[in-house]
Amino acid sequence: DTEVTQTPKHLVMGMTNKKSLKCEQHMGHRAMYWYKQKAKKPPELMFVYSYEKLSINESVPSRFSPECPNSSLLNLHLHALQPEDSALYLCASSQVPGQGATNEKLFFGSGTQLSVL
Amino acid sequence: SQKIEQNSEALNIQEGKTATLTCNYTNYSPAYLQWYRQDPGRGPVFLLLIRENEKEKRKERLKVTFDTTLKQSLFHITASQPADSATYLCARSGYSTLTFGKGTMLLVSP
Repeated sequence: DTEVTQTPKHLVMGMTNKKSLKCEQHMGHRAMYWYKQKAKKPPELMFVYSYEKLSINESVPSRFSPECPNSSLLNLHLHALQPEDSALYLCASSQVPGQGATNEKLFFGSGTQLSVL
Repeated sequence: SQKIEQNSEALNIQEGKTATLTCNYTNYSPAYLQWYRQDPGRGPVFLLLIRENEKEKRKERLKVTFDTTLKQSLFHITASQPADSATYLCARSGYSTLTFGKGTMLLVSP
């Protein structure tokens, strides 16, 4: 199994809602990532988990809360989002966390297209 | 800050021709450059990785070069097909993760 599975594929939420994005991989990868991508822009890193511990938080607002319950699962909890948070949210994994300059290729899921009304 | 730039937003070519996409970086050379393909509404898919001390890497119809003097990587698709139409992203290695360029949208016409 070489897939990263993300659910849901599409999500519409109001600014007062609480929702969660889910990501799963069964490749035995020990690094997992959340990226945010706006239309015609590159993916921007949000969070990195290394061996189930949060290792990088790219100054993401607290209305985004990541969670890594085990080595196969990654969640992103959403609360009180703004319309400008509408984007494609991508989960990715790599075999091991990069140490120094990384040569680890990333495996991406298909993403969750999020619309905040 | 370490930047990665793909100056062409879009590239249109005829089927059968070679597509050449450019990726430029600033400041010091990254140890690795990676190239990904992204289709609309989907996540990027890894294609090739090239190390700083490698001049060229090939995989089937794909070829990547790394020129540390020009601070540039070129990505070639030979004998292009309409199915190659997609956005191609280059990414530079950094501490623990990658920084992506904006991508070049390639359109191959029959």
